[in-house]
Amino acid sequence: EVVLTQSPATLSLSPGERATLSCRASQSVSSSLAWYQQKPGQAPRLLIYDASNRATGIPARFSGSGSGTDFTLTISSLEPEDFAVYYCQQRSSWPRTFGQGSNLEIK
Amino acid sequence: EVQLVESGGGLVQPGGSLRLSCAASGFTFSNYAMSWVRQAPGKGLEWVSSISGSGGSTYYADSVKGRFAISRDNSKNTLDLQMSSLRVEDTALYYCAKGGYSTPYDPWGQGTLVTVSS
Repeated sequence: EVVLTQSPATLSLSPGERATLSCRASQSVSSSLAWYQQKPGQAPRLLIYDASNRATGIPARFSGSGSGTDFTLTISSLEPEDFAVYYCQQRSSWPRTFGQGSNLEIK
Repeated sequence: EVQLVESGGGLVQPGGSLRLSCAASGFTFSNYAMSWVRQAPGKGLEWVSSISGSGGSTYYADSVKGRFAISRDNSKNTLDLQMSSLRVEDTALYYCAKGGYSTPYDPWGQGTLVTVSS
């Protein structure tokens, strides 16, 4: 099973700042990694797929990078609506797995 | 617009059974794999099961294998999850999601809550 480890667990930033979230896989997942955003009381929403492709309707301030075992989600300039929990997920092998989540909170 | 609407959640005793359903619209249902993902209260996301577009192939998390069965009816655009021998630790919000084989989960339904308690 591929274990995905996200860091940091919590990130406290202010609007306008840059956010960098990390996801490390226990073995290579190639580029088969996605990022999701979840706000309280809402279903997760796809942000990035195949490591670096923005999903439909996702603002350009969201970007993804990486391949193999190390991945990064970057939010270039935080908007108030970006404060949420972010999950990475791999579809390289079964079982599909998620990271434990990174909570991006307002400082 | 793609819509996924789950139903069937509720309160059930340990050892009991429950059948969840997901009604899909806005896309050619049979062309896409479908998945169930759950989230225990205050916890992260856990993949549960996926089924191919034809229904000919299925996958399960070890935690539910042998107890849960995923199925689909492509004539009715519905996805089901039959859950049996339920445990307290199966308590979660269960989401239906489009995709899961060669595509990411997108979109997700709003979820249906399953509570296993005596």
